[in-house]
Amino acid sequence: QSALTQPRSVSGSPGQSVTISCTGTSSDVGAYNYVSWYQQYPGKAPKLMIYDVSKRPSGVPDRFSGSKSGNTASLTISGLQAEDEADYHCCSYAGSYNWVFGGGTKLTVL
Amino acid sequence: QLQLQESGPGLVKPSETLSLTCTVSGVSVSSTVYYWGFVRQPPGEGLEWIGSISYSGTTYYNPSLKSRVIISVDMSKNQFSLKLSSVAAADTAVYYCAGRYYDFSSDSWGQGTLVTVSS
Repeated sequence: QSALTQPRSVSGSPGQSVTISCTGTSSDVGAYNYVSWYQQYPGKAPKLMIYDVSKRPSGVPDRFSGSKSGNTASLTISGLQAEDEADYHCCSYAGSYNWVFGGGTKLTVL
Repeated sequence: QLQLQESGPGLVKPSETLSLTCTVSGVSVSSTVYYWGFVRQPPGEGLEWIGSISYSGTTYYNPSLKSRVIISVDMSKNQFSLKLSSVAAADTAVYYCAGRYYDFSSDSWGQGTLVTVSS
């Protein structure tokens, strides 16, 4: 299984919206509605922000939303805030109880 | 509240076996609603799933690491462990242990521990 493809970096100004893509294959992202997104600050453990493509765990602001089309999943952050500057990682179920992550995307708030 | 903490050597020699333990508090490792596992992150890179273990002891491993990985549970100590054999420099990474709820709606991670493979 190969890592999912994410852009290395994205940026946006406060108040704007940004979307981070996560491209897999018909064997992982395209096959299952089990895509998660994680937020990670430098030196810290990842934090679950989205699961099952578009569901938010308790406590995650509704500014964070997820979607999927075909083999590509997306994380959209609306009303961008300075505290959203972090790395974001996607993760997909890949069948046979296997999981695959993306390479991570660095979000810069300008 | 579920909490996890990794422990183990920070330096391992090439060709030797990397061993890490994850101590779980707040939930029993025998819980039927959690899966336990390890994820690693090489410096400056993305996350890589290593493998998982269920309450029944069934294990699931990343195909690319399967020949070198063993994950096990010690219910008496409320811990689970990782062994990665024949390590090389490419195995240098921050290793995280994590527990994930069966329906994926929540998970908890340890703080991570840096393991360097070097002679």
